[in-house]
Amino acid sequence: DAGVIQSPRHEVTEMGQEVTLRCKPISGHDYLFWYRQTMMRGLELLIYFNNNVPIDDSGMPEDRFSAKMPNASFSTLKIQPSEPRDSAVYFCASSPTGQGLHGYTFGSGTRLTVV
Amino acid sequence: SQKIEQNSEALNIQEGKTATLTCNYTNYSPAYLQWYRQDPGRGPVFLLLIRENEKEKRKERLKVTFDTTLKQSLFHITASQPADSATYLCALADSSASKIIFGSGTRLSIRP
Repeated sequence: DAGVIQSPRHEVTEMGQEVTLRCKPISGHDYLFWYRQTMMRGLELLIYFNNNVPIDDSGMPEDRFSAKMPNASFSTLKIQPSEPRDSAVYFCASSPTGQGLHGYTFGSGTRLTVV
Repeated sequence: SQKIEQNSEALNIQEGKTATLTCNYTNYSPAYLQWYRQDPGRGPVFLLLIRENEKEKRKERLKVTFDTTLKQSLFHITASQPADSATYLCALADSSASKIIFGSGTRLSIRP
């Protein structure tokens, strides 16, 4: 398996533009997680899905953020409109279980810069 | 409020010595505690999981302890090597939720 695949690796966009981050989880993993990492706040859980259904989106910072999982092999995180404070590394992770009994497998992340 | 604390200061260790990293938590009832390694520009990589009813877990040169009374986990790397230099994150799986929350991590540097 190629692991969790995220795209793009880097994204630079202007304030106010829409940004879409993509994730392909490991096949057979029922849970998918979106995290954001910054120096100030560390790794923050934004939202997670179980069997393509959003379970907990309490970490989504604002209505500008939305996430979808239309099928078991694809998820998107969208920011519209983007702001400079959204600059961070966004990670997608997947797991066979929610509490990570076998650990979470992370992608390489998308480094987002909003100017 | 729930909190996971790791030493924010970098830890510098001489090669060959044992590195010990600390993870403390408050207001959690963790079912599991996990440790991850993160290298610059990469996502975290899962290393070890220890359950609430386990005191110690070992994997090669790694050892993790879990004290639910002290609300603390210790992560040890014995015979440390420069290749062990990375940021190490602890994470808790709350018994009531299907998700894990991460500490801020401790950067470990092993000098030759």
